[in-house]
Amino acid sequence: DQQVKQNSPSLSVQEGRISILNCDYTNSMFDYFLWYKKYPAEGPTFLISISSIKDKNEDGRFTVFLNKSAKHLSLHIVPSQPGDSAVYFCAASYTGTASKLTFGTGTRLQVTL
Amino acid sequence: ETGVTQSPTHLIKTRGQQVTLRCSSQSGHNTVSWYQQALGQGPQFIFQYYREEENGRGNFPPRFSGLQFPNYSSELNVNALELDDSALYLCASSLGDGEAFFGQGTRLTVV
Repeated sequence: DQQVKQNSPSLSVQEGRISILNCDYTNSMFDYFLWYKKYPAEGPTFLISISSIKDKNEDGRFTVFLNKSAKHLSLHIVPSQPGDSAVYFCAASYTGTASKLTFGTGTRLQVTL
Repeated sequence: ETGVTQSPTHLIKTRGQQVTLRCSSQSGHNTVSWYQQALGQGPQFIFQYYREEENGRGNFPPRFSGLQFPNYSSELNVNALELDDSALYLCASSLGDGEAFFGQGTRLTVV
């Protein structure tokens, strides 16, 4: 069973606009959530995280929102840049840390000129 | 400071064979986690090693085994390879439960 779901396999956004990537989870024991970015032929790179005690975390152009009651989180990228084109993975942990992660299937973001 | 390096980058094995994948952790990191990423899927947690001891395991059969060495590098061994073992194997190192840094992965093809 897929405990972390990313229902949109791909997303295309124009440069300068907002990109919104969504993620749903089913396991209420998850207490720490992360987003990773992956370019071809490279390993995933950590982007931003959020603890379950928060509902928002911001880092530059990247903001993650967490809605615990809906078991939903989203990643907002504003403004989107061509270099943001990559596969984005949502991940969750029940250890309160970035350890022993459960990943979603990923969303391929393409930022067009 | 060197990052996480994995070897080999690609390999092809025959069903029933055994394979060993290697991972050098980032300098100063004492924890290594292994993940399997099948085509079109997200990475799946296999197991984690902390200071040479297994420290958690995902839903993988015993034919997936590992080792961590005193220098914190690690090996993933898979016995009796099956076609479904074809995947990208990712190693991630961290300092304890801190941020995980991933290697570029080993692409294993089982024929």
